Amino acid sequence: DVKVTQSSRYLVKRTGEKVFLECVQDMDHENMFWYRQDPGLGLRLIYFSYDVKMKEKGDIPEGYSVSREKKERFSLILESASTNQTSMYLCASSSRQAPISTDTQYFGPGTRLTVL
Amino acid sequence: GNSVTQMEGPVTLSEEAFLTINCTYTATGYPSLFWYVQYPGEGLQLLLKATKADDKGSNKGFEATYRKETTSFHLEKGSVQVSDSAVYFCALGLAGNMLTFGGGTRLMVKP
Repeated sequence: DVKVTQSSRYLVKRTGEKVFLECVQDMDHENMFWYRQDPGLGLRLIYFSYDVKMKEKGDIPEGYSVSREKKERFSLILESASTNQTSMYLCASSSRQAPISTDTQYFGPGTRLTVL
Repeated sequence: GNSVTQMEGPVTLSEEAFLTINCTYTATGYPSLFWYVQYPGEGLQLLLKATKADDKGSNKGFEATYRKETTSFHLEKGSVQVSDSAVYFCALGLAGNMLTFGGGTRLMVKP
């Protein structure tokens, strides 16, 4: 069974802290994604990676960075957390057997981050 | 640019009622279309998809038909259950681009 796990379900941080969100997939997928989910806005892509050490900006990369040192792990970093980054963060992965946009994406359970 | 518009929720139905959740899209090109479902406390799961015009995706009693002429991909189910209560997301994907999601529609089914 496919599995995407995220390091925390709930996280509370203070403004200005550096925050790491970890995502691990066990499906040997090439592509990995970070989204944030906000009410009424759906999912918005922050960053994605199509290979180890490769990354591309999504629609809302400002204030975030990512790291992919191993194929199975994709980390999202908030260098200096701010209150407007309070949100649900979802990680996903997909195989590159077909064009990237038509692949089924498998999602983790999400991390609900609150920045005080 | 690409965009997906879904009906706003919440949609509240009684068990065994008929469900329709509307989804329309704008895309430059010929996208694939998806419905994802998010059950409480979980991540998103693919519910169904269609890759070309007139294709019908189906799964767990849900159906959606890719209508190019109306740029729509409405989700339907003939008889909903309490266990269908969730948030439903419509999404499109184009070669070379990422998935674009709609805002989500919350469905609440009462016994």
